[in-house]
Amino acid sequence: DQQVKQNSPSLSVQEGRISILNCDYTNSMFDYFLWYKKYPAEGPTFLISISSIKDKNEDGRFTVFLNKSAKHLSLHIVPSQPGDSAVYFCAASGPGTLVFGKGTRLSVIA
Amino acid sequence: NAGVTQTPKFQVLKTGQSMTLQCAQDMNHEYMSWYRQDPGMGLRLIHYSVGAGITDQGEVPNGYNVSRSTTEDFPLRLLSAAPSQTSVYFCASSPLPTGLSSPLHFGNGTRLTVT
Repeated sequence: DQQVKQNSPSLSVQEGRISILNCDYTNSMFDYFLWYKKYPAEGPTFLISISSIKDKNEDGRFTVFLNKSAKHLSLHIVPSQPGDSAVYFCAASGPGTLVFGKGTRLSVIA
Repeated sequence: NAGVTQTPKFQVLKTGQSMTLQCAQDMNHEYMSWYRQDPGMGLRLIHYSVGAGITDQGEVPNGYNVSRSTTEDFPLRLLSAAPSQTSVYFCASSPLPTGLSSPLHFGNGTRLTVT
């Protein structure tokens, strides 16, 4: 069973608009959440994270929102740029464990 | 700053062959790990190490061996390659064990095909 789910395999957004990538989790022991970005033929790179004691963390154009009661987090990118086109992985961390979602491919269309 | 370096970038093996995927990091990170990424799947943990001389199994360890004789190096050995091990392999490191506000630094991957 998937503990971390990214239900949208792909997403297309126009340049300048908002991109919203979603992630759901099932394990209430997860206490730290991360987003990674991956370009083709490269390794994932860390983008932004949030602790379970917060509900929002912002870094420039990237904001992560956490809704603990719904076990849901989302990554907002505003404004979206063509260079944001990549696969985005959600990851959840808890005692002795780190679980990745399957990823969402974002395409930002100029 | 090299970060995490993986070699080779590509490898083709025949079923039954053995090989070692190399991983080295120059950031003095204690934690290192190996993941595999398959189409339609997330990254799955194979083995990890929290320091030199210490290794442990992850989610999908069967068919793989690791050792950690130095802080810098964490090689992954395929004992007898099988087509099911066709995948992209990523090595990652972190200054602290995951779950303690410490993102992973990934290498650029090794694409392995087993025929």
